[in-house]
Amino acid sequence: GAVVSQHPSRVICKSGTSVKIECRSLDFQATTMFWYRQFPKKSLMLMATSNEGSKATYEQGVEKDKFLINHASLTLSTLTVTSAHPEDSSFYICSAPPGTSTDTQYFGPGTRLTVL
Amino acid sequence: AQSVAQPEDQVNVAEGNPLTVKCTYSVSGNPYLFWYVQYPNRGLQFLLKYITGDNLVKGSYGFEAEFNKSQTSFHLKKPSALVSDSALYFCAVSLGRGSTLGRLYFGRGTQLTVWP
Repeated sequence: GAVVSQHPSRVICKSGTSVKIECRSLDFQATTMFWYRQFPKKSLMLMATSNEGSKATYEQGVEKDKFLINHASLTLSTLTVTSAHPEDSSFYICSAPPGTSTDTQYFGPGTRLTVL
Repeated sequence: AQSVAQPEDQVNVAEGNPLTVKCTYSVSGNPYLFWYVQYPNRGLQFLLKYITGDNLVKGSYGFEAEFNKSQTSFHLKKPSALVSDSALYFCAVSLGRGSTLGRLYFGRGTQLTVWP
């Protein structure tokens, strides 16, 4: 089946630094990818929709200048957390639909970000 | 507005007993319905989906779900629970064709614990 990878799986950084998380679709092309944030024992909060060749669409309340999204190719989207603070610590998950909206959407394994 | 409700934060069952994880939804049009499972520090794994056709859908690991249009529900069930089924379960809905491709609306999640 379709596979979505994320890198890194875990990252620890100092407050004020920037962190880049990659999301790749390994065996299919994805013109759209989604970025979610998950707090402990909580549901997934959609942060933004990443669109290949155009700007990302951010959900209400998500700071686009803080969470930079770049959909560089049909298989790669990146999320950069700029000037990270401890409150940005979270589990970030990406997903990609491989085709029509009836198809199963595939999720990456997630990235655990800890900001000290 | 689209919404998905999982009324129970926690479901506890004994191994070997049947289990039910509830989900109701409120969307415009005909929804596509999904169940995903998440193990600790992992991404989401697809269990099953309802698009059209038979209201009873069978999925991975012996799980099944029944689409009930009149009650707008899509409860997840399994006849005999295993300890290894213990995980966080998410119900999700998409709006199908014509909507933002792959845009999923998630319930808040239900933690299933199966006691040995």
